[in-house]
Amino acid sequence: NAGVMQNPRHLVRRRGQEARLRCSPMKGHSHVYWYRQLPEEGLKFMVYLQKENIIDESGMPKERFSAEFPKEGPSILRIQQVVRGDSAAYFCASSGSIYSDQPQHFGDGTRLSIL
Amino acid sequence: GNSVTQMEGPVTLSEEAFLTINCTYTATGYPSLFWYVQYPGEGLQLLLKATKADDKGSNKGFEATYRKETTSFHLEKGSVQVSDSAVYFCALSDLDGGATNKLIFGTGTLLAVQP
Repeated sequence: NAGVMQNPRHLVRRRGQEARLRCSPMKGHSHVYWYRQLPEEGLKFMVYLQKENIIDESGMPKERFSAEFPKEGPSILRIQQVVRGDSAAYFCASSGSIYSDQPQHFGDGTRLSIL
Repeated sequence: GNSVTQMEGPVTLSEEAFLTINCTYTATGYPSLFWYVQYPGEGLQLLLKATKADDKGSNKGFEATYRKETTSFHLEKGSVQVSDSAVYFCALSDLDGGATNKLIFGTGTLLAVQP
């Protein structure tokens, strides 16, 4: 499968636990974006990364959330001390270039549920 | 700032009916415009795109024309099928002098096609 791979598809955590979401971009893509979709809402940008660098994290909550895209391996979105309001679908997208005419390709998302 | 406004759903149509989903945008630069489709439990799939004024994007019978004078990118299809039932998202991408090609999404429009 040459598409964007996200895992797990579903993740259940209790309040206060940590959630780690993984994203492997399409082959040859070095630009990764994370979006969050709250129930009944559209997707909201969280963070943009290139290999080993965070380029724009303007959409990321200031506390508890972090992201990385190491030289080897998938991009990771990490949520510490989860709360009920973190329940959402988290989507990763990748693209081959920074230019605005190049479409982003999305994974199937991770649906995070907080008990 | 940049924004996308999309007509509210749900839109319920009979098979073979004509579809229009309205989308207007606000952007400070020269955005690229996209329509994405999301089937239940899945990620977003790119449906079509247009990168400059008067461009028409088309795919699978769907069309949308980039209208700079009315800042619109309405989605149309001449004859819908039950398999078109999904949520449709209008989005724009505009670097606007920055370094992030993030997508700005509308809230999505649920389309339900009845046999």
